Amino acid sequence: NAGVTQTPKFQVLKTGQSMTLQCAQDMNHEYMSWYRQDPGMGLRLIHYSVGAGITDQGEVPNGYNVSRSTTEDFPLRLLSAAPSQTSVYFCASSLSGGDYGYTFGSGTRLTVV
Amino acid sequence: GESVGLHLPTLSVQEGDNSIINCAYSNSASDYFIWYKQESGKGPQFIIDIRSNMDKRQGQRVTVLLNKTVKHLSLQIAATQPGDSAVYFCADGRANAGGTSYGKLTFGQGTILTVHP
Repeated sequence: NAGVTQTPKFQVLKTGQSMTLQCAQDMNHEYMSWYRQDPGMGLRLIHYSVGAGITDQGEVPNGYNVSRSTTEDFPLRLLSAAPSQTSVYFCASSLSGGDYGYTFGSGTRLTVV
Repeated sequence: GESVGLHLPTLSVQEGDNSIINCAYSNSASDYFIWYKQESGKGPQFIIDIRSNMDKRQGQRVTVLLNKTVKHLSLQIAATQPGDSAVYFCADGRANAGGTSYGKLTFGQGTILTVHP
């Protein structure tokens, strides 16, 4: 198993550009989430999903869209990148609602200039 | 909004000592709590979790204590090793009556643990 795979690992965007951060897991996990981590801070939840076709907003959803068409994939879309979205983005998954221990990917470091 | 916070941002210990990392949470409705370890350049790694109906849980070299009266969580690491150096986060979440998570975690700021040989 590859676990949770995030691509790309690094990305530089210009203000106003759009892009999609990819996240895939091969563990047949139902729950998937996106977090952002800013320097000196903990992780903040952007969007999450409890199953294919089901998504919901987290703490900081503005400027981001998600979809969950398959169990394996949970892409995060930046609609119009802003410097405030410079951050490290982590995708995470867990087997089910009874499994509280999420598995995290290695992150995508995004810089918006 | 609700938040999970930490008392100390940094902790330095000698190899072989026991480490205690503390966490204060504010959401009295939280049903479970998790400790994560994050090494530089990596994603958080699950260490241990505890449900709100427990006050103590032990793992390999780690113990989590939960005091719901004062909304306090701690992670104890026995015989701390240089490989334990990392940032440690606590997180909390809610679950339904059957124990099924709603899928949302709230993370604290993190504590930097440095272990000196």
